[in-house]
Amino acid sequence: AKTTQPPSMDCAEGRAANLPCNHSTISGNEYVYWYRQIHSQGPQYIIHGLKNNETNEMASLIITEDRKSSTLILPHATLRDTAVYYCIVRVYYGGATNKLIFGTGTLLAVQP
Amino acid sequence: DARVTQTPRHKVTEMGQEVTMRCQPILGHNTVFWYRQTMMQGLELLAYFRNRAPLDDSGMPKDRFSAEMPDATLATLKIQPSEPRDSAVYFCASGFEGISYEQYFGPGTRLTVT
Repeated sequence: AKTTQPPSMDCAEGRAANLPCNHSTISGNEYVYWYRQIHSQGPQYIIHGLKNNETNEMASLIITEDRKSSTLILPHATLRDTAVYYCIVRVYYGGATNKLIFGTGTLLAVQP
Repeated sequence: DARVTQTPRHKVTEMGQEVTMRCQPILGHNTVFWYRQTMMQGLELLAYFRNRAPLDDSGMPKDRFSAEMPDATLATLKIQPSEPRDSAVYFCASGFEGISYEQYFGPGTRLTVT
């Protein structure tokens, strides 16, 4: 399934950052994954979910009931959260391969 | 703190030379991925191994690229001969396959072919 994200967003330091993602063609057994890439580093896993909302030490993931969109929430953004955030729907081909296909992501700029 | 390691971190070479990039996956992981990142194309999957067996290399130019896993602790990506258009950052990632799983990325090898 293809995902659509805004190319860029700003957020004030200390405030919540809400990053949206549309995945209207998601299949029933596909998971939503979020990764981020800080400049010059490898991508970093943040969180994933299937249909229920998820929370870990980094972020929360809110998935709509119809699963056609989701929102990644960073509750208290810091300057170190400035990165490109990728929303990915995991493609699963009958057990033969499991791929993560990265799109262009959202560049989140946290402002002081 | 287990991490994926990649060597070298930077490589500058001349067109036509062979380039070998190495990756040490996290111990216990059974999948390894090679990605390439450029400004124009973003992150592209080149190859994917499970239990050291190549499962998918459809994203890799077959004529000059090859990927192998000689053992569970080493994955290699070779380019022979290299071309300027191969200039990119090459990332290795590893993971443990299951119903849902995450991939852990290394720091990347920045390749410049002149």
